[in-house]
Amino acid sequence: DIQMTQSPSSLSASVGDRITITCRASQSIRSHLNWYQQKPGKAPKLLIYVASSLESGVPSRFSGSGSGTDFTLTIDSLQPEDFATYYCQQSYTSPRMYTFGQGTKVEIK
Amino acid sequence: QVHLVESGGGVVQPGRSLRLSCVASGFTFSSYGMHWVRQTPGKGLEWVAVISYEGSTKYYADSVKGRFIISRDTSKNTLYLQMNSLRVEDTAVYYCVSGGGYSFGYYFDNWGQGTLVTVSS
Repeated sequence: DIQMTQSPSSLSASVGDRITITCRASQSIRSHLNWYQQKPGKAPKLLIYVASSLESGVPSRFSGSGSGTDFTLTIDSLQPEDFATYYCQQSYTSPRMYTFGQGTKVEIK
Repeated sequence: QVHLVESGGGVVQPGRSLRLSCVASGFTFSSYGMHWVRQTPGKGLEWVAVISYEGSTKYYADSVKGRFIISRDTSKNTLYLQMNSLRVEDTAVYYCVSGGGYSFGYYFDNWGQGTLVTVSS
């Protein structure tokens, strides 16, 4: 099975900061990597699909990159509404299996 | 606007059964693969099962294979998850999710609000 590892598990940042979250797959998943944002008590929300495509309605300060085993989610100029938990998810083995990373919690410094 | 509304969660004893439902609206339900994804405080997000847009093909996570059954009724725009032989470790919030990108879905583009299942004696 493909394992997804995110780093860091949590980070503290200030409004206006640029932050990067990393997701590593245990084997190549080409570009089959998606990113989600989840706020407390809410369902996850799709941000980025197929590694770098921005979901409709998602602000352009969010961007994704990478292929193979290493991927990043970058948020330019962090806004108050961006404090949340972020998850990566691989779909290389779809439809038999989909796997999420363990999440990265972004907190206010 | 897409809406996915789950129901059927609750408290159930280990070994018993429960059926979740998800009513879809705002999109062509019959054209999308549909998934169940669950979330526990300890294990984060876990994909549970997928059903193809026409309902003929289904896949399950190893943790639920042989116990859970995913199905859909296109005439009612409704997705189901029949959960049998429930275990304490099945305790989670269960989300109904639509799959985007191809017939089964490469990504999860619309989520319901979730329904809580608690398995406890």
